[in-house]
Amino acid sequence: DAGITQSPRHKVTETGTPVTLRCHQTENHRYMYWYRQDPGHGLRLIHYSYGVKDTDKGEVSDGYSVSRSKTEDFLLTLESATSSQTSVYFCAITGTGEITEAFFGQGTRLTVV
Amino acid sequence: GEDVEQSLFLSVREGDSSVINCTYTDSSSTYLYWYKQEPGAGLQLLTYIFSNMDMKQDQRLTVLLNKKDKHLSLRIADTQTGDSAIYFCAESETGANNLFFGTGTRLTVIP
Repeated sequence: DAGITQSPRHKVTETGTPVTLRCHQTENHRYMYWYRQDPGHGLRLIHYSYGVKDTDKGEVSDGYSVSRSKTEDFLLTLESATSSQTSVYFCAITGTGEITEAFFGQGTRLTVV
Repeated sequence: GEDVEQSLFLSVREGDSSVINCTYTDSSSTYLYWYKQEPGAGLQLLTYIFSNMDMKQDQRLTVLLNKKDKHLSLRIADTQTGDSAIYFCAESETGANNLFFGTGTRLTVIP
C-alpha cells in the first residue's frame, strides 16, 4: 500500500466551526489531491497541489482552502463548516509520467451537525 | 465539466460474470480507468485502457471500449464474494493527474 495517512479518520463538528484535515505521504510524490465522495456524485476534486506552495482549485472548491508547506503534507481547511460539507474526504497522490496510478488514502468521514 | 455516468447497483450470483458499464461525454478522453473501493477503504486502481485500444484483458478482468459511443465496460469473470465493492470508472485527457470519476456502481455478489 502507498504510504498515505489521513487524519482524523472520523470527525463530528458543529456548523460554523473551522476544520482542518491532514494528508501525509511518505512516497515523495509531487501531486496531491483532495476529493470528496458523496452518494450519486462519485468523487469530485476539491483542490490539488503540484508542488510545495503550488495549489489550484478543482471542481468543488467553494468553502475550502488548502495549504502545502512540505512535500509530504497537504492540509484541507473548511473555514466555516456547513451541513453540505458532510461527506467522506479522500486524499490522493500521483507521481509524474504519462501513465501514473493515483493512490488513495483511507478517507476521513466528516459530519457537520 | 465532463460527465461520467454509471448505474448505481448491480447484483450477481457467485460464479457468474459481472458487467459494469460506464458512459462518458468527453471526446478528448485519452485514458480510461477502473477503480475498486472496498468498504471503509480508499480507491485502488484495477486497470486502465488507452483510448486507441478496443479491449484489454487482465486475468479475470476484461475492459471493452467503444470510443464511437463513448462506452466503457468492465467484465469480471467468475465473480467471487470478495469482488463485492463499489467500482468507479474515471476518464482523463492527460493521465491520473486530472481524473473525472463516475458515480460508482455498487456490486453485490450473492453466494
